[in-house]
Amino acid sequence: GAVVSQHPSWVICKSGTSVKIECRSLDFQATTMFWYRQFPKQSLMLMATSNEGSKATYEQGVEKDKFLINHASLTLSTLTVTSAHPEDSSFYICSARWQRSYEQYFGPGTRLTVT
Amino acid sequence: GNSVTQMEGPVTLSEEAFLTINCTYTATGYPSLFWYVQYPGEGLQLLLKATKADDKGSNKGFEATYRKETTSFHLEKGSVQVSDSAVYFCALRSETSGSRLTFGEGTQLTVNP
Repeated sequence: GAVVSQHPSWVICKSGTSVKIECRSLDFQATTMFWYRQFPKQSLMLMATSNEGSKATYEQGVEKDKFLINHASLTLSTLTVTSAHPEDSSFYICSARWQRSYEQYFGPGTRLTVT
Repeated sequence: GNSVTQMEGPVTLSEEAFLTINCTYTATGYPSLFWYVQYPGEGLQLLLKATKADDKGSNKGFEATYRKETTSFHLEKGSVQVSDSAVYFCALRSETSGSRLTFGEGTQLTVNP
């Protein structure tokens, strides 16, 4: 089946620093990748949708300058949390789909803690 | 707009008990319906899906039937195990939303031995 990985699985960073999270599709070409944020005991909130080679589309209320998304290749998308603050601490999950399918395949998630 | 409503959790059951997690939806047209499972500290895994009315999705002993007349997709399992403890999300993908998913709030299930 389709496999999506994320790296790192967890990260701790200091307030004011930036952190990059990678999302990779391991066995298919992901034309579209999605980034979600999940607060404890809550559902997933879609942050943005990125198509390979184009700018990401951000959901309303998501700061595009704070959450930089790059989808430079068909197998890799990155989410960079810039100038992180404790309120950015969350579980970030990516998913990916390929061109001929609507199905999304989810990564295992990245736990970000900002101290 | 599209929306998914799940029964409130948490749900706590004893091993081998019968499980039902209710899910109802609002969407135009004929959405595809999904159940995802999230084990502690992990991402989401697709558990089962149904793409048209009266379809039954099934996997690992779990079942859900797409009921257009009641706009429901309730998750059931006849005999739960401790390993089924997880958070379960109901979701839909509408005909007009492309690949975008709308998730319910999630239901925490704990199964005690």
